[in-house]
Amino acid sequence: SQQGEEDPQALSIQEGENATMNCSYKTSINNLQWYRQNSGRGLVHLILIRSNEREKHSGRLRVTLDTSKKSSSLLITASRAADTASYFCATYNFNKFYFGSGTKLNVKP
Amino acid sequence: EAEVAQSPRYKITEKSQAVAFWCDPISGHATLYWYRQILGQGPELLVQFQDESVVDDSQLPKDRFSAERLKGVDSTLKIQPAELGDSAMYLCASSDRTGGAGIPGRNTEAFFGQGTRLTVV
Repeated sequence: SQQGEEDPQALSIQEGENATMNCSYKTSINNLQWYRQNSGRGLVHLILIRSNEREKHSGRLRVTLDTSKKSSSLLITASRAADTASYFCATYNFNKFYFGSGTKLNVKP
Repeated sequence: EAEVAQSPRYKITEKSQAVAFWCDPISGHATLYWYRQILGQGPELLVQFQDESVVDDSQLPKDRFSAERLKGVDSTLKIQPAELGDSAMYLCASSDRTGGAGIPGRNTEAFFGQGTRLTVV
């Protein structure tokens, strides 16, 4: 399977702490993306990192990509209760998106 | 802001009945995807269209599922007959293959609709 695999499957932290989620994949990619999904809703695009990039920032989000290890990480700094959601990485290659199984983040107020 | 529209948001149907979902992608997006997401799992691709043509339906259970995108714009996914195991979220997404940057793939992202939550009873 070309799907990404997120780690951990579930993460529970206090508001204000940082949350780190990891994603591993198996094949070459054009880009890797992170999405958020609130319960019962569609996926919302958070950030995209291209295969020739190593790090990218957007607000409180920081994404890294290591193509040699076929892995990526998503860091959410100063987490808020509203960040409670499932987070998915998706790899894009040959006009296809492949999703992992997600990390369920719970931020306690 | 442009959005992917899906309807209905929720659908409850009895097993063996037919059910249909509709998706209207972002204008100009040539690629349209239907995903199925079982609770607690990631989305799995059912079918992918490039304009009006199916480019991947390898994971579509063709004995009961069908999908069409007749004019290369909106799309319909049908299940007939529905089974209990079809209960899931059905997500539609669209993308501009070039990501607007003229370089295929580098900036391509998928835009998702709100999904249809199907419950088969």
